[in-house]
Amino acid sequence: EIVMTQSPATLSVSPGERATLSCRASQSVSSNLAWYQQKPGQAPRLLIYGASTRATGIPARFSGSGSGTEFTLTISSLQSEDFAVYYCQQYNNWPPEEVTFGPGTKVDIK
Amino acid sequence: EVQLVQSGAEVKKPGESLRISCKGSGYSFTSYWISWVRQMPGKGLEWMGRIDPSDSYTNYSPSFQGHVTISADKSISTAYLQWSSLKASDTAMYYCARRSEYQLLYGGLYYYYYGMDVWGQGTTVTVSS
Repeated sequence: EIVMTQSPATLSVSPGERATLSCRASQSVSSNLAWYQQKPGQAPRLLIYGASTRATGIPARFSGSGSGTEFTLTISSLQSEDFAVYYCQQYNNWPPEEVTFGPGTKVDIK
Repeated sequence: EVQLVQSGAEVKKPGESLRISCKGSGYSFTSYWISWVRQMPGKGLEWMGRIDPSDSYTNYSPSFQGHVTISADKSISTAYLQWSSLKASDTAMYYCARRSEYQLLYGGLYYYYYGMDVWGQGTTVTVSS
């Protein structure tokens, strides 16, 4: 099973500042990685797929990078609505399909 | 509007059975796999498994294999998650999510990527004696 780790567990950032979140896979997942945002009391929302492509309607301040085992989600200038928990997720489509989430990074107000 | 609407909150006793549902609308239900995701109180997301509604083929996470059953009725565009004997540790929020496929062209070759782009609102399951 591919294990996903995320760092830091909590990131304290001031509005307008840049936030950089990291995600690591225990083995290569190529670019089969997605990022999700979850706010309290809400379902997760897809931000990024294919490691670097923004999903429909996602603002340009969100960007993803990386491949293999190391990935980054960058929020260029944090807005008030961006304070949330962010999860990375890998997916392996070779039978049997395997999907695992990272433990999440909470971005809160500094 | 594309949406997944889940059944309401449940309160059950240990040992009882339960089936929760996820109804898709606004899109071709059989064209997208549906996954189920667990979120225990104050914890992260865990993928439980998925179903292809077109043929009801399922795949489960090893952590959930044998503990839950995922099914679907394509005639009513609904996926299900069920337990035969609940435990207190099944207390959690359960989400269904649609998996979309994205085709990207790089260097003259097409690559396929996936993301869970539509989520249900979640169903809270509480198991307590």
